[in-house]
Amino acid sequence: QSALTQPASVSGSPGQSITISCTGTSSDVGAYLYVSWYQHRPGKAPKLLIYDVIERPSGVSARFSGSKSGKTASLTISGLQAEDEADYYCSSYASSSTLVLFGGGTKLTVL
Amino acid sequence: EVQMLESGGGLVPRGGSLRLSCAASGFTFSSYAVSWVRQAPGKGLEWVSGVSGSGGSTYYADSVKGRFTISRDNSKNTLFLQMNSLRAEDTAVYYCAKEIRLIAGLGGMDVWGQGTTVTVSS
Repeated sequence: QSALTQPASVSGSPGQSITISCTGTSSDVGAYLYVSWYQHRPGKAPKLLIYDVIERPSGVSARFSGSKSGKTASLTISGLQAEDEADYYCSSYASSSTLVLFGGGTKLTVL
Repeated sequence: EVQMLESGGGLVPRGGSLRLSCAASGFTFSSYAVSWVRQAPGKGLEWVSGVSGSGGSTYYADSVKGRFTISRDNSKNTLFLQMNSLRAEDTAVYYCAKEIRLIAGLGGMDVWGQGTTVTVSS
């Protein structure tokens, strides 16, 4: 089972909004509402930002939002801040021999 | 405080074995599935294995199936990963993570450990 497809990098200026896409198949992203997003800074533990496509855990800023259309899920970060610079990963439940798939990760640079 | 703490990583020869442990605290351990996720040097996150809250259902990535075994001891709030027949490509930081539901794979992982490093020498 291949990883979900994310852009390798995105960038934006402080205050702007960016969107990271995550494309899967009809066996994972396209079939289920179990898409999650994580922020991962070097040397730190990954942090859950979004679960069930659109839900935000308590304590996560409302600047982070999720959506899905067909086989593609998206993470939008509004009002970019320097502290948002990190790697971002999507993940989905998959009806395959591998239960959970991650995307390849997207490096966000705040200019 | 809700916490996950991994241990057991180290340097192991190719073909060798290693057992990772993950101690959980601050929540009702048996009420949640838990998973292992790894990150190889310079690579992205890869889900490795998951187990349901009861321990009765286990799941593996194709890349480790038949070589790794996940288990949990709910009486000791501890998760394990027995890794056998280790390969160079298993070299990675291994994270344990609490899932948000009782059943593995459904939803997301909201509490992560800091990771333990496994290096397989060739």
